Amino acid sequence: SAVISQKPSRDICQRGTSLTIQCQVDSQVTMMFWYRQQPGQSLTLIATANQGSEATYESGFVIDKFPISRPNLTFSTLTVSNMSPEDSSIYLCSVKSGQNYEQYFGPGTRLTVT
Amino acid sequence: DAKTTQPPSMDCAEGRAANLPCNHSTISGNEYVYWYRQIHSQGPQYIIHGLKNNETNEMASLIITEDRKSSTLILPHATLRDTAVYYCIVRAPMDSNYQLIWGAGTKLIIKP
Repeated sequence: SAVISQKPSRDICQRGTSLTIQCQVDSQVTMMFWYRQQPGQSLTLIATANQGSEATYESGFVIDKFPISRPNLTFSTLTVSNMSPEDSSIYLCSVKSGQNYEQYFGPGTRLTVT
Repeated sequence: DAKTTQPPSMDCAEGRAANLPCNHSTISGNEYVYWYRQIHSQGPQYIIHGLKNNETNEMASLIITEDRKSSTLILPHATLRDTAVYYCIVRAPMDSNYQLIWGAGTKLIIKP
């Protein structure tokens, strides 16, 4: 299994500002994923980030709003830009690992936008 | 849309076996059944997966019907720490468009 850490664990931000979330993995992985989980809801995939290439965004998510970096095989960042209260969510980093490609998740970043 | 159907909530007494059902009637031949859980304020945790044979690990057992249209996750001796939302997901692990489709899951409450 992979061990994943995220920073910050939580933050309260003002409308219009941006927050960058960091994800660190204890092993080299090809694919990393960023999810959003709105209050009381299930997980929604934002984008898939492969090292050395542009992230692939899911429908409803755009690079200008959620720019992603993937500088190496153990690290990625997600930026939530020009935040509004609707961006208040838990943001989760995930990697695919293991013999049958099970996914492992970080602890999440709880973001509140006021 | 999620490919699976789960009851929205279940209760189980502490120390008893918790049996969580999942229907996946449209599962394809190359799709596995994965189970994850999410304890409150934590990221999802992988539990177990299987293709067609029953599987067991240190956390749980997975029973898949012969026609593969449904499965049951069994927590043999539930504890209070097993209270969580449990997600059943079907997925072909080698699919290049790797995305887990998360349904609403089953909220399992373990009662003392």
